[in-house]
Amino acid sequence: DAKTTQPPSMDCAEGRAANLPCNHSTISGNEYVYWYRQIHSQGPQYIIHGLKNNETNEMASLIITEDRKSSTLILPHATLRDTAVYYCIVRVDYKLSFGAGTTVTVRA
Amino acid sequence: GAGVSQSPSNKVTEKGKDVELRCDPISGHTALYWYRQSLGQGLEFLIYFQGNSAPDKSGLPSDRFSAERTGGSVSTLTIQRTQQEDSAVYLCASSLSERETQYFGPGTRLLVL
Repeated sequence: DAKTTQPPSMDCAEGRAANLPCNHSTISGNEYVYWYRQIHSQGPQYIIHGLKNNETNEMASLIITEDRKSSTLILPHATLRDTAVYYCIVRVDYKLSFGAGTTVTVRA
Repeated sequence: GAGVSQSPSNKVTEKGKDVELRCDPISGHTALYWYRQSLGQGLEFLIYFQGNSAPDKSGLPSDRFSAERTGGSVSTLTIQRTQQEDSAVYLCASSLSERETQYFGPGTRLLVL
């Protein structure tokens, strides 16, 4: 799987949008970008994934650059419950591998 | 609908004892995965099931670890003669097929004293 690079931490104000960047410059054409998050002491939670096009669901939006070398996860209106470690991964097969992720702290 | 469930949520055992961890996947998901997550470590793949078969057991750390799946549904991960280094969170995930999105359970936190 392609390696991803994420900032180790970021703060966000409650009610504001949180924009989480991820670099994956060595991504291959058939590798998907997936985002999961892990709230303390819970299992990883799937957020969203995409290949080339931007994607949106009830949780978030995923913006993938045209060259696919980076992406941004957008939480449109962050709440305190969004405080978690967010993992950006690229996958081509079923073995998922999380890096260190970005620890997002939403502050009131 | 119901997500992936795991039991027990926490398990404390003594070194040398055997433990069984259970995973109930999402109904209809043919693919099931076991992972391990240790403090400060990333996600470690253990085994993958397609139906009741395990085409990939490459991540099992030693022959003390085994897993089975019955009826294309419930899976059990067994650790024999537990060691302190087995202490970790054991996560189960399932997906419609191996290429589809994996959904994780809450995990079983195992502590070997």
